[in-house]
Amino acid sequence: KAGVTQTPRYLIKTRGQQVTLSCSPISGHRSVSWYQQTPGQGLQFLFEYFSETQRNKGNFPGRFSGRQFSNSRSEMNVSTLELGDSALYLCASSRPQTSGILIDTQYFGPGTRLTVL
Amino acid sequence: DAKTTQPNSMESNEEEPVHLPCNHSTISGTDYIHWYRQLPSQGPEYVIHGLTSNVNNRMASLAIAEDRKSSTLILHRATLRDAAVYYCILRGNAGNMLTFGGGTRLMVKP
Repeated sequence: KAGVTQTPRYLIKTRGQQVTLSCSPISGHRSVSWYQQTPGQGLQFLFEYFSETQRNKGNFPGRFSGRQFSNSRSEMNVSTLELGDSALYLCASSRPQTSGILIDTQYFGPGTRLTVL
Repeated sequence: DAKTTQPNSMESNEEEPVHLPCNHSTISGTDYIHWYRQLPSQGPEYVIHGLTSNVNNRMASLAIAEDRKSSTLILHRATLRDAAVYYCILRGNAGNMLTFGGGTRLMVKP
């Protein structure tokens, strides 16, 4: 079974631009989560999508947004890029239970390394 | 989710056992203890999880204290490939997301 794929793997942008990152989850997985990893803040949760709806959101400004398509593929968008947005953006998919405690294993992709100049 | 505390780094010799500790004194009764690790230049990967009883799988063992305020991830024979950052995470009813702490950077010496 193919793992989580993310495109592109590397990206260089300048301040003020916007960027769109893509994530294809493992086949059959309906939940996609996004995380930002920086040396200073570590791994931080951005948001989670399930059945095309944002279900959970982390503490990030509105410049960070996302969406999920009917085939469970997800995109995240960052507008008006700032230098501090330089990070590794990780996508994770899971097949969460529809009820009860949500403790399904998260499967991570290799990430997209975004550099903002 | 409740907070966890882990040592910043640990060192081990290859082919020796490694015990990675995690303190979670504010754990609630419904929190599961999960461990993930992140190998260099890769996304995190699931290692093991448990609730109350000790757990074993092909990657590692998880020993959970009787009061559940601490746990230990055990790698029975460390290999160079086990060099990674190991994260201890508590998961309860807060949603289908992971709250990462600083983790423990494990270095394995040949």
